[in-house]
Amino acid sequence: ETGVTQTPRHLVMGMTNKKSLKCEQHLGHNAMYWYKQSAKKPLELMFVYSLEERVENNSVPSRFSPECPNSSHLFLHLHTLQPEDSALYLCASSHDQKGGYTFGSGTRLTVV
Amino acid sequence: GIQVEQSPPDLILQEGANSTLRCNFSDSVNNLQWFHQNPWGQLINLFYIPSGTKQNGRLSATTVATERYSLLYISSSQTTDSGVYFCAVEVTGGGNKLTFGTGTQLKVEL
Repeated sequence: ETGVTQTPRHLVMGMTNKKSLKCEQHLGHNAMYWYKQSAKKPLELMFVYSLEERVENNSVPSRFSPECPNSSHLFLHLHTLQPEDSALYLCASSHDQKGGYTFGSGTRLTVV
Repeated sequence: GIQVEQSPPDLILQEGANSTLRCNFSDSVNNLQWFHQNPWGQLINLFYIPSGTKQNGRLSATTVATERYSLLYISSSQTTDSGVYFCAVEVTGGGNKLTFGTGTQLKVEL
């Protein structure tokens, strides 16, 4: 365990479903991130929250909706996804811009 | 945006061999990290190294920020070193935006 916990580990959902990914950290970090990792592509930054405020939205479609209720929790709400959204979704946290990032184990999402 | 290039893209080693992985980046950075992703997808932070040299056991890393490259050295490789090694950088003044390279896929064989 890295100190960043993601649930669920695996998720299969239909295109009309609504689901949420959860990320939790108790490292005292104040920045949290969502990344997407598709096959044969570099990791892509989706969202950044710093001090619970969204500071980056990297041109992500509105069918992905993040939520950061406090500095320890981050959610990614999913609705009406497409098959091409199937990927590994990784959460990370850091102490703002100082030091390294800690990643969770990821949620492997399959959209059918 | 910043370009992050890693080489080689693929590497096969015999157990016990040494290797050097390279990361080139196209802009000034204030954050550079090396990660190892195991076959199950877990990303582990190996080094936070915006400049200088660090060592951790059989691994060491050197970043020459003025020349915009970083090197990761793996000595006496083991099968558990297999996986993908990523370099990731944040542009100076670019905020919390870690950009990843395409990675080096390493396989260590007996």
